[in-house]
Amino acid sequence: SQTIHQWPATLVQPVGSPLSLECTVEGTSNPNLYWYRQAAGRGLQLLFYSVGIGQISSEVPQNLSASRPQDRQFILSSKKLLLSDSGFYLCAWSGGLGVRETQYFGPGTRLLVL
Amino acid sequence: AQKVTQAQTEISVVEKEDVTLDCVYETRDTTYYLFWYKQPPSGELVFLIRRNSFDEQNEISGRYSWNFQKSTSSFNFTITASQVVDSAVYFCALISGGGADGLTFGKGTHLIIQP
Repeated sequence: SQTIHQWPATLVQPVGSPLSLECTVEGTSNPNLYWYRQAAGRGLQLLFYSVGIGQISSEVPQNLSASRPQDRQFILSSKKLLLSDSGFYLCAWSGGLGVRETQYFGPGTRLLVL
Repeated sequence: AQKVTQAQTEISVVEKEDVTLDCVYETRDTTYYLFWYKQPPSGELVFLIRRNSFDEQNEISGRYSWNFQKSTSSFNFTITASQVVDSAVYFCALISGGGADGLTFGKGTHLIIQP
């Protein structure tokens, strides 16, 4: 069966510090991968998605970047965090068949920027 | 552009009551997919159901049922005989066309089941 991991689970970082969040998927090949952010309260916003190694699409201009160095690894980064980067970051995967497969989510990372 | 509206911000019911969560969507595509996810306090989004635009059959899974009506662009979710464990935030989501971009989520409905 497929499993998706995210770490760290919780992170407290000062403004201006760098960020690296990691997401890995097990039990599947060539997945589509996604990063979402949920701001305080509710509402999920797509940040990035990837259909393959090195292929990244960004949905909104922001202080963050994403990379996919391996087939089942997706990394969210920032060189300098802003207060507004605080939130709950969720990684998701779906089958890469070109059809609207279900997206399955990881446990998330809670980021607090102080 | 796509849009999902969950007008009910918060619903509170007593255990064993039935409750319906509303979802209204907007899309110009004829092929699209609708989803419901549950977010318990732990935060992880749990997949509940996926429905494509060509299948309007209602679905029942245990105490859960879904009513998809294209005529009103709605995909409502009913929990029968609610339980405390059903307390969570529930999200309706939409994706359309081909490709691999992301889901458009509603703002969620916080469901509180009181014992």
